[in-house]
Amino acid sequence: LAKTTQPISMDSYEGQEVNITCSHNNIATNDYITWYQQFPSQGPRFIIQGYKTKVTNEVASLFIPADRKSSTLSLPRVSLSDTAVYYCLVAYNNNDMRFGAGTRLTVKP
Amino acid sequence: NAGVTQTPKFRVLKTGQSMTLLCAQDMNHEYMYWYRQDPGMGLRLIHYSVGEGTTAKGEVPDGYNVSRLKKQNFLLGLESAAPSQTSVYFCASSYATGAGSYNEQFFGPGTRLTVL
Repeated sequence: LAKTTQPISMDSYEGQEVNITCSHNNIATNDYITWYQQFPSQGPRFIIQGYKTKVTNEVASLFIPADRKSSTLSLPRVSLSDTAVYYCLVAYNNNDMRFGAGTRLTVKP
Repeated sequence: NAGVTQTPKFRVLKTGQSMTLLCAQDMNHEYMYWYRQDPGMGLRLIHYSVGEGTTAKGEVPDGYNVSRLKKQNFLLGLESAAPSQTSVYFCASSYATGAGSYNEQFFGPGTRLTVL
């Protein structure tokens, strides 16, 4: 059964690096991993996507180990405005979209 | 360029009533999706479409029907609403899907539906 699992919540302080890990044990070779950010009363917004190793863009990095059974979203130097819910999405067999339940990140001053 | 829009934003139904949610995108995307979001459960895929005239079931399709008569529109129908369908519904679209493709999904603002 395809399942995507992530922690329910995390707390951090401004300026710290935050790492959120997602578990996806049934991932197949061509399945990709995407992370989204969601603020209250808005739709999710794309952060980063990858298949393997490491991907970096202007806002985050995504680390994927060789077995691909997990992935870690890394947010460098978070600020108060990064307080949001972060979702991991695995597209099993291209179209079977499975979101995790979301990780509520609270950044404190 | 409006992106993905959803109509209506809010709706209250009585059990047994029917309604249609409209999703429109102006990005010429092939793929469109309907999700529902419930507390503690993240987003769950209801139905999706890989192109005009085609639809497929997602993880939680029961009680819903969809149509994609035009590329830019994706309609979600509830024929006989039930309280269990109280949720926030999100529509999304993407250019492509699959290995090696650019798969970013663009989401609409959501429709909050309450079924009494």
